[in-house]
Amino acid sequence: GEDVEQSLFLSVREGDSSVINCTYTDSSSTYLYWYKQEPGAGLQLLTYIFSNMDMKQDQRLTVLLNKKDKHLSLRIADTQTGDSAIYFCAGVAGAGSYQLTFGKGTKLSVIP
Amino acid sequence: EAGVTQFPSHSVIEKGQTVTLRCDPISGHDNLYWYRRVMGKEIKFLLHFVKESKQDESGMPNNRFLAERTGGTYSTLKVQPAELEDSGVYFCASSGGGTQYFGPGTRLTVL
Repeated sequence: GEDVEQSLFLSVREGDSSVINCTYTDSSSTYLYWYKQEPGAGLQLLTYIFSNMDMKQDQRLTVLLNKKDKHLSLRIADTQTGDSAIYFCAGVAGAGSYQLTFGKGTKLSVIP
Repeated sequence: EAGVTQFPSHSVIEKGQTVTLRCDPISGHDNLYWYRRVMGKEIKFLLHFVKESKQDESGMPNNRFLAERTGGTYSTLKVQPAELEDSGVYFCASSGGGTQYFGPGTRLTVL
């Protein structure tokens, strides 16, 4: 099965860039996802990347995928206080599976 | 278009009682999933419905948990009898075959 690892905490100053890292074990994961959970709220799909891509950019968000090292990162440019949340990396458990396997989540704190 | 909804948002029960959680998926989504996050742990998969059929229930922890999706629309997850270790946040998600969209979760506290 899939294992997903993330660092638990990240603190950045408002206006700086944030980089949240994730490593995974199952190279057959077709899609890799980033979900965001704001305090008291549910999981919001932030972005995803298909396994045959190296990079995906969406406004302030940039996702980088290094398949060789099984490393996924989420960069948030010009981080705002509204970006404070827990960010979860997730991948499917294996070929033909629909199970999402999540990391423990990275709590991003933005200092004004 | 309405997203995935879950009811209740919070539930506090005593050990040994029964609780039923409800999930309404996005209209037209055949796939419905239940996940849960126990305090301090990862979000873990519980089971997957395709329409009214259980496609994968490999994540269900034990037979105190019963999930149903009669008619292939909304789903319920019943815990009977509840134990202390069942406390956590229960998430429901739905998909049309690809990306899973999550509901706000139900926070269950078993005292």
